[in-house]
Amino acid sequence: DQQVKQNSPSLSVQEGRISILNCDYTNSMFDYFLWYKKYPAEGPTFLISISSIKDKNEDGRFTVFLNKSAKHLSLHIVPSQPGDSAVYFCAASLSGNTGKLIFGQGTTLQVKP
Amino acid sequence: IAGITQAPTSQILAAGRRMTLRCTQDMRHNAMYWYRQDLGLGLRLIHYSNTAGTTGKGEVPDGYSVSRANTDDFPLTLASAVPSQTSVYFCASSAWGGTGQPQHFGDGTRLSIL
Repeated sequence: DQQVKQNSPSLSVQEGRISILNCDYTNSMFDYFLWYKKYPAEGPTFLISISSIKDKNEDGRFTVFLNKSAKHLSLHIVPSQPGDSAVYFCAASLSGNTGKLIFGQGTTLQVKP
Repeated sequence: IAGITQAPTSQILAAGRRMTLRCTQDMRHNAMYWYRQDLGLGLRLIHYSNTAGTTGKGEVPDGYSVSRANTDDFPLTLASAVPSQTSVYFCASSAWGGTGQPQHFGDGTRLSIL
């Protein structure tokens, strides 16, 4: 049973436009959500996170929105750049002190020049 | 450069053999993790350790064991490899094992079990 779902396996956008990556979750006990970016043959790298007590967090071109009632979050990248082409993973963390993350399946973003 | 080192980078292994994947970090992080990445399933947690001397089970621990003798090293052992353990394995660490802590990942070990 997938507790964190990224239903779009891939997304293609034009350079300079907005990229919107979506993530849904089922467990209302998640209290932190994180986005990771992964290039081929490399490990995931942390991008941005959001606490469940907030509805928005922004860092440069990256903004994450959280809708708790819908159990949905999204990552917006504006403007998109070709170097943003990668696999993006959404992850969720349960309250407590284990630090365990539950990942979605990932969405492959292609930004076309 | 500070970070996580995984070895080997890739390995082909016969079923039934024993294999240890190595992971070393030099960031003095307290918490470490092992994940496997499979197509269509994302990353799934195998085992974790919040501090040296302690370990815990993740989502998919069966067939794997770990040890945490010191802060820097967190080896993952497959006692008797099976083809379903063919995957890419990532080691990660975080400053401590609290919720929301960003984890730093190594570049992975690609393991094929024949």
